Amino acid sequence: AIQLTQSPSSLSASVGDRVTITCRASQGISSALAWYQQKPGKAPKLLIYDASSLESGVPSRFSGSGSGTDFTLTISSLQPEDFATYYCQQFNSYLYSFGQGTKLEIK
Amino acid sequence: EVQLVQSGAEVKKPGESLKISCKGSGYSFTSYWIGWVRQMPGKGLEWMGIIYPGDSDTRYSPSFQGQVTISADKSISTAYLQWSSLKASDTAMYYCARGKDSTTPWHAFDIWGQGTMVTVSS
Repeated sequence: AIQLTQSPSSLSASVGDRVTITCRASQGISSALAWYQQKPGKAPKLLIYDASSLESGVPSRFSGSGSGTDFTLTISSLQPEDFATYYCQQFNSYLYSFGQGTKLEIK
Repeated sequence: EVQLVQSGAEVKKPGESLKISCKGSGYSFTSYWIGWVRQMPGKGLEWMGIIYPGDSDTRYSPSFQGQVTISADKSISTAYLQWSSLKASDTAMYYCARGKDSTTPWHAFDIWGQGTMVTVSS
């Protein structure tokens, strides 16, 4: 099974900061990667699919890049509502898998 | 509005059976895959399996194969996740989610249910 490793596991940042989260796959997955945001007590929300496509309704400060094994989620200017946990997910193989999550906290 | 609405929280004893539901509306329920995702308390997301309500084609994660059963009733636009004998370790939030691309079982999940909390305790 393909393993996804996110880094960092947690991150402290301030409003207005530029933040990057990395997701590394244990083998190549082309561009079959999605990013989700989850707030406490809520269901995950799709942000990015196909590694770099922005889901409808998601602010343009969110962007995704990468292909193969290395991927990044970037938030260009953090807003108060962005403090949450972020997960990557691969859908290349005939099994899904998620990264372990990155908790983004207020500094 | 496209949405998935899940059944309410459950409290069960070890060994009991359970079936939780996920009702789709606002789109063609039979044309999109529905996945189930587990989130244990304070932990990350785990994919359990997916089903195509149009023909009930179902795929399971090896971690959950034989532990749960996924089904669907397309006549009422509802997918199900069931257990025949619950364990304390099944205590978790369970989410259903719709596959974004109707042409493949393997894609991002764009619509999520609100989650069903299952608590198994003696």
